[in-house]
Amino acid sequence: DAGITQSPRHKVTETGTPVTLRCHQTENHRYMYWYRQDPGHGLRLIHYSYGVKDTDKGEVSDGYSVSRSKTEDFLLTLESATSSQTSVYFCATALKEEFEQFFGPGTRLTVL
Amino acid sequence: GENVEQHPSTLSVQEGDSAVIKCTYSDSASNYFPWYKQELGKGPQLIIDIRSNVGEKKDQRIAVTLNKTAKHFSLHITETQPEDSAVYFCAASIGYGGSQGNLIFGKGTKLSVKP
Repeated sequence: DAGITQSPRHKVTETGTPVTLRCHQTENHRYMYWYRQDPGHGLRLIHYSYGVKDTDKGEVSDGYSVSRSKTEDFLLTLESATSSQTSVYFCATALKEEFEQFFGPGTRLTVL
Repeated sequence: GENVEQHPSTLSVQEGDSAVIKCTYSDSASNYFPWYKQELGKGPQLIIDIRSNVGEKKDQRIAVTLNKTAKHFSLHITETQPEDSAVYFCAASIGYGGSQGNLIFGKGTKLSVKP
């Protein structure tokens, strides 16, 4: 398995607070992705990165921002959390686009 | 934009039977079609993938078929076992534009294999 860790694994927060999720990889993969998974919606892409400091929006990017200052780390920030952002968040990495994506274990976020 | 439809949403089979999950996609320029298995509490894991220049691919009890003309692809699992019980996702790559190469996922199929 690719070495992908996510932190925290679980978080409960209140509406309006900022939240940052971290994805760390040891595979030196160029591409990194943040998805959210909700019942009935499958996996939806939030943001992705194709290199250090190179990021772009995905399908459901409103309310989220990302940063990638090092190859290993990809941060997802909710500037002001809302209840609609309660979800399970998965990070994934890939060596190249249209290649296998390796997923992390996920972060369960609850916004009260 | 690209859309991937997956059916059925739930599937229950007896151990030893075959299971088939079907997906259709809308982007005729899609080139890459992976299938992921997700066990409870874990992240998805690739089980098989196929590219647009291939019509069929097999890996032991798992096979995937692709019909580019009809824009659909299917996952076939033979001789199902209880450990095959999981949620399965199909995906298709975006074929053009700034998001080219990114994946669009189907909504998943929950497969239950009864002993």
